[in-house]
Formats: sequence, C-alpha cells, structure tokens
Amino acid sequence: KQEVTQIPAALSVPEGENLVLNCSFTDSAIYNLQWFRQDPGKGLTSLLLIQSSQREQTSGRLNASLDKSSGRSTLYIAASQPGDSATYLCAVRLTGSQGNLIFGKGTKLSVKP
Amino acid sequence: GAVVSQHPSRVICKSGTSVKIECRSLDFQATTMFWYRQFPKQSLMLMATSNEGSKATYEQGVEKDKFLINHASLTLSTLTVTSAHPEDSSFYICSASTGGLYNEQFFGPGTRLTVL
Repeated sequence: KQEVTQIPAALSVPEGENLVLNCSFTDSAIYNLQWFRQDPGKGLTSLLLIQSSQREQTSGRLNASLDKSSGRSTLYIAASQPGDSATYLCAVRLTGSQGNLIFGKGTKLSVKP
Repeated sequence: GAVVSQHPSRVICKSGTSVKIECRSLDFQATTMFWYRQFPKQSLMLMATSNEGSKATYEQGVEKDKFLINHASLTLSTLTVTSAHPEDSSFYICSASTGGLYNEQFFGPGTRLTVL
C-alpha cells in the first residue's frame, strides 16, 4: 500500500530564508508526483507536477525534484515571503489506478516578517 | 481555465439530516470526478471516483449507502451525506478531470460540513 510521508509537519522561518520541504513515498511505481498549496479552510492550488520520467520542475521561486528510485521528492522555496505561509501537500499518482492521488499530511509553513 | 466550484462552501446541519454538496467544472467537461475527505491535521483521503453516467467506485471503508454520489452530466457531480452524524463533520473536496487515466485533476475550494 502506497504511503506518503512529509517531513517536517510544521516549519517556521524568517522572511527571506531559503527552505526545503521533504516528501517520501513507499512504492516507486508512480506515474507522477504533484505539490499543492492549501490555505486554511481552502481548496488546493497545484504548484508543480513532475512526471515519473522527470527529475525536477521549476516555477518562479519554487523548484521540485523527484528521485523515484529512492522514493523521495523535495520542494525548494527560494527567498521565502510571508505570503508563502500555507500548508504544502505532496501527492503521488499510482500507475494503473484510475488516477486518484495519494496525499501526505502536509507541511505547515509559517514565514515570519 | 480549468475551474472547479463547490457549493455550498460551508454547511451546518442537525444530526440525522441529509446534506447535498455540488461540484461543478465551469469551463471544461469532466469525464471523471473524485471526492476526497480531509479531517483536521490529516491528509486528504479519496472517498470515491465517479465517471459520468456510471456508478461511482468507492474506496474501502467508505459506505456507499451513506455517501451517495451522482455524476449525471459532464459538468456536475453531487455528494449526498445521508443521515449525517457528528463524526461526518469534515472538509469535503472534489476534483475533476477531463478523463483518461492520467489527466490532471483540478480541485474545488472545498465544503466544510459541521454536523451538530
């Protein structure tokens, strides 16, 4: 059974700092991996999607990497801002499934001015 | 593009009543819709997958007679929580896909259900 783990569960950093969020998964037979942002009481905003054949994806200050063989992904946020404060969710899509996503519990990020 | 809406955004009801939540794809045809549930400080858990015009496929442990899903059109799916109880209080999020096994899912803003 696929399990997705995110470490740390919570993180507080001063504004301007670079930071890394970690995601690990137990079954490497994934089709892709996706990072989402969730603001309190809100739905999900997709940040980056990495196909299983890719090693990384970049969007602005965000960079996500994928090492499928070791079951790990990282989300790097450069020059963090208070507006980055949110919960970041990692999710994997299994091969051969109907396409449903398996989510981690998320990392709650707080960026202090 | 690829906007998904949910209604209502928040609902409070008495125990024993039924609640219907709507999920709409506003600018694309959603062949497949997914319903997730999220308890506080927990990850999103898939409840069921529905394909337009077909019966929903429920995940293990999800009661299909309690959580009724209807996906009658390519832009609308509904989740009805029947005879709701306080333990059903949760955040319900839908997502929609244009179909095919690996097409990207687009998520709605979620519905906060509180059962008194």
